[in-house]
Amino acid sequence: AQTVTQSQPEMSVQEAETVTLSCTYDTSESDYYLFWYKQPPSRQMILVIRQEAYKQQNATENRFSVNFQKAAKSFSLKISDSQLGDAAMYFCAYRSIQGAQKLVFGQGTRLTINP
Amino acid sequence: EPEVTQTPSHQVTQMGQEVILRCVPISNHLYFYWYRQILGQKVEFLVSFYNNEISEKSEIFDDQFSVERPDGSNFTLKIRSTKLEDSAMYFCALRDRGYEQYFGPGTRLTVT
Repeated sequence: AQTVTQSQPEMSVQEAETVTLSCTYDTSESDYYLFWYKQPPSRQMILVIRQEAYKQQNATENRFSVNFQKAAKSFSLKISDSQLGDAAMYFCAYRSIQGAQKLVFGQGTRLTINP
Repeated sequence: EPEVTQTPSHQVTQMGQEVILRCVPISNHLYFYWYRQILGQKVEFLVSFYNNEISEKSEIFDDQFSVERPDGSNFTLKIRSTKLEDSAMYFCALRDRGYEQYFGPGTRLTVT
């Protein structure tokens, strides 16, 4: 079974600075998807960014980018020019391409933005 | 992006009571999921539903849980006899043939 680990329960960053959230995962599959979801206090799950394992190029979405290291099974999220609205829980998630393709989540990292 | 609503937004029930949580997609979708998040913990997969039947379920999804699409649109999660430990946020998610699962806003279930 796949597992996802986020080793940073909490992180904080000054507004306008850059922060990196870590995620590692364990799988025996060669093809899969990885995601970062944001959960603000409203508890809505919002997709931030996705990465297909077969793509070597790291995904980017505006101020959000990932560092995908397939051999190391590492998938970190970098947030540039942090804004107050970025404060939230961030969950890393794995999705197989087989079967029901359910999401397997990490424990989450609570990000605080200091003004 | 598909729009998903969930009703109710918050449900308070007494232990042993039955609850039905509803997921209402705006358009038709292929794959449906229920996830649970106990307060302060990670999001956990409960069950997936495809072509009007369960395609996968987790260990959490025991005989107390059931899912169905009674009218071909709404997707429901029923808990027959709620326990205190069922208190959690329940998320419905939808997927077509693409990558993303689109989450509803969630139903907060409180069992007293």
